[in-house]
Amino acid sequence: EVVLTQSPGTLSLSPGERATLSCRASRGVSNIYLVWYQQKPGQAPRLLIYGASTRAPGIPDRFSGGGSGTDFTLTISRLEPEDFAVYYCQVYGDSVFTFGPGTKVDVK
Amino acid sequence: QLQLQESGPGLLKPTETLSLTCTVSGGSISSSSDYWGWVRQPPGQGLQWIASVYYSGRTFYNPSLESRATISVDTSKSQFSLRLRSVTAADTAIYYCARHGDFFSGRHFDPWGHGTLVTVSS
Repeated sequence: EVVLTQSPGTLSLSPGERATLSCRASRGVSNIYLVWYQQKPGQAPRLLIYGASTRAPGIPDRFSGGGSGTDFTLTISRLEPEDFAVYYCQVYGDSVFTFGPGTKVDVK
Repeated sequence: QLQLQESGPGLLKPTETLSLTCTVSGGSISSSSDYWGWVRQPPGQGLQWIASVYYSGRTFYNPSLESRATISVDTSKSQFSLRLRSVTAADTAIYYCARHGDFFSGRHFDPWGHGTLVTVSS
């Protein structure tokens, strides 16, 4: 079973700054199965990016995903106030879904 | 638009069986490209996938929970359900139901239900 590691654990930034979040897999995974979610307090996770780089419908273009193999990134080009949240990566492989531990993006 | 809603008891005692139901509306639970799953989140912690089911009854489970979990589907009621036996305090979590796709439509969860908090306490 693949293990996902996300870094940093917490990212403290100001509105307008660029955020770069990392998701590393313990072994190579297919890009088509790498997913990113955003979760705000008291809410269910929200799909942001699937297939490593495809934005879900309605997701602003300041969110972008990239990477391949074992290393993937989620970039928020300019943080808006509503972007401060926890971000999870997720992968599917061998009939198992695995989530990373999350990165919290908070206000500096 | 597809919507999912969890229901079930919010408080259980240790050793009891957790039983949750997810009702699907705004779409067909028998869609050939959709699977239906359960994901949980202990308070203040991350997400853990539990199990998924297809309308035909095909199931797959997280190996760490497979011995205690059973997922099932009732297409006549547009519902799928989760049973988790012999619960402990470690099973205290928000339980979400969600849809995911297949190889073609994508192995990502969307949409999600709002979640239901299940607390295990004596």
